[in-house]
Amino acid sequence: QKEVEQDPGPLSVPEGAIVSLNCTYSNSAFQYFMWYRQYSRKGPELLMYTYSSGNKEDGRFTAQVDKSSKYISLFIRDSQPSDSATYLCATHTGRRALTFGSGTRLQVQP
Amino acid sequence: DTEVTQTPKHLVMGMTNKKSLKCEQHMGHRAMYWYKQKAKKPPELMFVYSYEKLSINESVPSRFSPECPNSSLLNLHLHALQPEDSALYLCASSPKSISDTQYFGPGTRLTVL
Repeated sequence: QKEVEQDPGPLSVPEGAIVSLNCTYSNSAFQYFMWYRQYSRKGPELLMYTYSSGNKEDGRFTAQVDKSSKYISLFIRDSQPSDSATYLCATHTGRRALTFGSGTRLQVQP
Repeated sequence: DTEVTQTPKHLVMGMTNKKSLKCEQHMGHRAMYWYKQKAKKPPELMFVYSYEKLSINESVPSRFSPECPNSSLLNLHLHALQPEDSALYLCASSPKSISDTQYFGPGTRLTVL
C-alpha cells in the first residue's frame, strides 16, 4: 500500500465549478501537508501548506486536513481554464523528506 | 529573490557524453534537493544536501554525481547515462531541513539518445 493515495484522474469540470481534490494517507506520523500545482513540463509550484488538522484558505483555494480520517482535500472555487494542471498532494513527518501522491490531472473546460 | 533557477531548460545527450545540470537559489535556504520526474508520475527524490553536506542518497546509480559548491549552488554531473534516464530533473530548496516546505525550480528536461 502506498503511503499517500491520490486518484490520478483526469478530472474534467466546466469553468466556474467547485473542484474537490483529495488524498488519503496511511502514516499517522504525517503532520505537514502541502498541495503543489504542476503545469505540463514545468516544476511543481507550492499552493498551500498546512500543519496538522484544520482548514486554510487563500483566495479561491481552501486546503482541509482531517487527521482522524487521514484525509486531505483541496477545494478550488470558481475554477478557471488556467487552473488546468496536475495537482500533487505531499506530506512529511518533520523528520523525513516529502512523500508525494501520484497527482490528479485537472481539466477546466471553458 | 524568491525562486529556484535551473539551467539548461533542455538537454539532449548521447550515452557517452558528460554533462552537468545547474541549480541556484538566493533565498538563503540551507537544504537543497535533486528529484527525477518521469511523465505522469510524481517527483522521486534522488539526493538531499543539508548545509552543503550530502545527507540523503536514495540509492541513485553512480552515473549521477551531485555536488554542492556553496550554499546557493547545486550541480548534478551526468556521465554514461542510459535512455531510461530521460526525464525532468527538478531542483528544490527549503529553509533549513527536510522538515521545511520545499520550493521547486522549473526543471531541466533531459533526453538521452
